[in-house]
Amino acid sequence: NAGVTQTPKFQVLKTGQSMTLQCAQDMNHEYMSWYRQDPGMGLRLIHYSVGAGITDQGEVPNGYNVSRSTTEDFPLRLLSAAPSQTSVYFCASSRRGGMDTGELFFGEGSRLTVL
Amino acid sequence: GIQVEQSPPDLILQEGANSTLRCNFSDSVNNLQWFHQNPWGQLINLFYIPSGTKQNGRLSATTVATERYSLLYISSSQTTDSGVYFCAVAPDSWGKLQFGAGTQVVVTP
Repeated sequence: NAGVTQTPKFQVLKTGQSMTLQCAQDMNHEYMSWYRQDPGMGLRLIHYSVGAGITDQGEVPNGYNVSRSTTEDFPLRLLSAAPSQTSVYFCASSRRGGMDTGELFFGEGSRLTVL
Repeated sequence: GIQVEQSPPDLILQEGANSTLRCNFSDSVNNLQWFHQNPWGQLINLFYIPSGTKQNGRLSATTVATERYSLLYISSSQTTDSGVYFCAVAPDSWGKLQFGAGTQVVVTP
């Protein structure tokens, strides 16, 4: 199993550009989520999904869109990048029932710089 | 949402020392996890421990849910233990986790 895979690992954007951070998991996890990590602020939840076709907002959703068309994939879209979105982004997934319910697995992160 | 406070914010240890990290939370939880973020930025799940005690090698954790705190013990610390330790909680057994600000641990040779 590859676990949770994020691409790209690094990206530089100009203000106003759009882009998509990709996230895929091969563990058949129902729950997927996106966090951003800024210095001194821990991890903050952007969006999450409890299954294909179902998404909801987290703590800091503004400026981001998500969709969940399959169980495996949960892309994060930046609509019009701003310098305040410079951060490290983590995708994570977990099981919703049965053994290991709730244990969160993270991807390796995507470092985004917006100039 | 649930407030999560971790202490101390920073910890410097000599190799071989023991230490205790604390996580306080403001409401009842059914999901509590400890994570280690290594110096390369990878986040590794250490424990899923909404209550009780677990041990994994030199690390152990205890959660006293009724008193709303959890402790992470590091024994005989090694330089590879350096990094940031995060506590995260949620009211449900799975789903949205609220993270604390973390404890930065530096283990010196």
